[in-house]
Amino acid sequence: DAKTTQPPSMDCAEGRAANLPCNHSTISGNEYVYWYRQIHSQGPQYIIHGLKNNETNEMASLIITEDRKSSTLILPHATLRDTAVYYCVPRIAQKLVFGQGTRLTINP
Amino acid sequence: GAGVSQSPRYKVAKRGQDVALRCDPISGHVSLFWYQQALGQGPEFLTYFQNEAQLDKSGLPSDRFFAERPEGSVSTLKIQRTQQEDSAVYLCASSLRMGQGRGGELFFGEGSRLTVL
Repeated sequence: DAKTTQPPSMDCAEGRAANLPCNHSTISGNEYVYWYRQIHSQGPQYIIHGLKNNETNEMASLIITEDRKSSTLILPHATLRDTAVYYCVPRIAQKLVFGQGTRLTINP
Repeated sequence: GAGVSQSPRYKVAKRGQDVALRCDPISGHVSLFWYQQALGQGPEFLTYFQNEAQLDKSGLPSDRFFAERPEGSVSTLKIQRTQQEDSAVYLCASSLRMGQGRGGELFFGEGSRLTVL
């Protein structure tokens, strides 16, 4: 099974880009990587997902390395409301497999 | 409704009681998933359905846990003879279709927080 490694916590200044890394060196060739975030007492919120190409939507950008062993989620202009736990989640046989995530704190 | 709806939001049960947690997925969504989230941990998979068919229940921790989706829409997670270790947030998610490409994203509800005394 794919396993992910994320830093337990990160800080970023408001207005700056937040870059959240994830290592998923054992991911299989057909397993997508999803990113979710969770604000206290709420359910996880979908952000973005990809297989091997970089992806961008209104929330974030996802950069996946060519060997697919790691990816980076980029929040281009972080706001205080982006403070949350961010999960890098491989999808294995239809199931999202969550790890511990990164607690991102946006500082004013 | 616009999103996945779960009820009750909070449930306190005495040890040994049976509980039922309800999930209303987004209308038209084919797939429905249940997850369990302990305090300070990431969500853990319990089971999932495609329409009314339960395709994977490998994450259910014991035979006290049972899930159903009889008409392919609303789902109920039932826990019999609750134990203290069952205390957690139970999350439901739905997706428009199976598969990992576009349309396969899971959208989660707010969860049902179960506390067993």
